[in-house]
Amino acid sequence: QPVLTQSSSASASLGSSVKVTCTLSSGHSGYIIAWHQQQPRKAPRFLLKLTSAGSYNKGSGVPDRFSGSSSGADRYLTISNLQSEDEADYYCETWDSNARVFGGGTKLTVV
Amino acid sequence: EVQLVQSGAEVKKPGESLKISCKAYGYIFSSYWIGWVRQMPGKGLEWMGIIYPGDSDTRYNPSFQGQVTISADKSISTAYLQWSSLKASDTAMYYCAKTNGYTAYDDGFDIWGQGTVVTVSS
Repeated sequence: QPVLTQSSSASASLGSSVKVTCTLSSGHSGYIIAWHQQQPRKAPRFLLKLTSAGSYNKGSGVPDRFSGSSSGADRYLTISNLQSEDEADYYCETWDSNARVFGGGTKLTVV
Repeated sequence: EVQLVQSGAEVKKPGESLKISCKAYGYIFSSYWIGWVRQMPGKGLEWMGIIYPGDSDTRYNPSFQGQVTISADKSISTAYLQWSSLKASDTAMYYCAKTNGYTAYDDGFDIWGQGTVVTVSS
């Protein structure tokens, strides 16, 4: 089954942009993933679904500041014009024939 | 509005049983797979299992097989997660989440419940 690897933390300045990375394990570079945001003490929220070609579909109400892109086994979540409310944990998720998998999460700090 | 509303916080003793619920609103409950996800204190998300309410077809993460039971009652649009004998290590937040997929493994979760915190302590 696939494994998703994420950096444990990232930081960026208010108003800037940040790119969060999720890397698929060898042999799984063609997989679709989903990105979820978990703000402190809240439930996760679906952000977008991202293909290996870099096309993505966003969840209802997700701001335009959130976008996705792909390169090989890497899947990216880019947040533009960072706001304080973007400080959160970000998880990637994927699935295959008999399992669903989450990455370990990236804690984003907005400074 | 599509939403999942979970039952309230629980405090239990080791060895006790527990069943928590997740009620669906705003969509045809029996037509979409719904899963359960564990989040232990300060940790990440772990997929536990998933059920298709239409026919109660259920799949488990091998790590949770035999430890919990997932069920659903389509007549009241509600999914359940239950334990027969809780352990202190079951202390966690539990989320239900819906997928848009036709099978258990062809799409991600797109709607999440608000979570149910379970505390198991003597």
